[in-house]
Amino acid sequence: KAGVTQTPRYLIKTRGQQVTLSCSPISGHRSVSWYQQTPGQGLQFLFEYFSETQRNKGNFPGRFSGRQFSNSRSEMNVSTLELGDSALYLCASSWGAMNTEAFFGQGTRLTVV
Amino acid sequence: DAKTTQPTSMDCAEGRAANLPCNHSTISGNEYVYWYRQIHSQGPQYIIHGLKNNETNEMASLIITEDRKSSTLILPHATLRDTAVYYCIVRVAGFQKLVFGTGTRLLVSP
Repeated sequence: KAGVTQTPRYLIKTRGQQVTLSCSPISGHRSVSWYQQTPGQGLQFLFEYFSETQRNKGNFPGRFSGRQFSNSRSEMNVSTLELGDSALYLCASSWGAMNTEAFFGQGTRLTVV
Repeated sequence: DAKTTQPTSMDCAEGRAANLPCNHSTISGNEYVYWYRQIHSQGPQYIIHGLKNNETNEMASLIITEDRKSSTLILPHATLRDTAVYYCIVRVAGFQKLVFGTGTRLLVSP
């Protein structure tokens, strides 16, 4: 069974640009969450989607947005990139919303220059 | 979400048991204790979780105190590949949000 797939694995963008990251959950999983990991702030929760609905959102500016499609695949978008957005972005999928473990992908490493 | 407190780092000899403690004194009745680990530059890996009973799986054992204010993750026979940052997280059932702290950096040495 394939794991959580995130694309691309690495990305370099310029300040002011926007970026879209993709996450394909494990087959059958309906919940997708996104996290940002930086050396200074550690792992921080961005948002959670279940059946195409955003259920929870972390404390990030509106430049960070996401969505989930009917096949459970998810995308997150960051607009007007800043140098501080350089981070490892991780996606996690779960079968359901109730007490199920989350499986993480390998992440997308975004570098903003 | 309840906060957790873990030691910054721990060492363990290969083949010995690694016991990683976690304090979660403000845990609520409906919050579960989860353990994840992250090996350098990889996504976090789920290890185990529990509510109030001790749990065991092929990777580890989780011991939760009777008052649920602390827990211990036990890796029975640590290997070099167990070197990682271990995160103890408390989470309300029904939500996928995981609040990661700084974790414990476990170094397993030969």
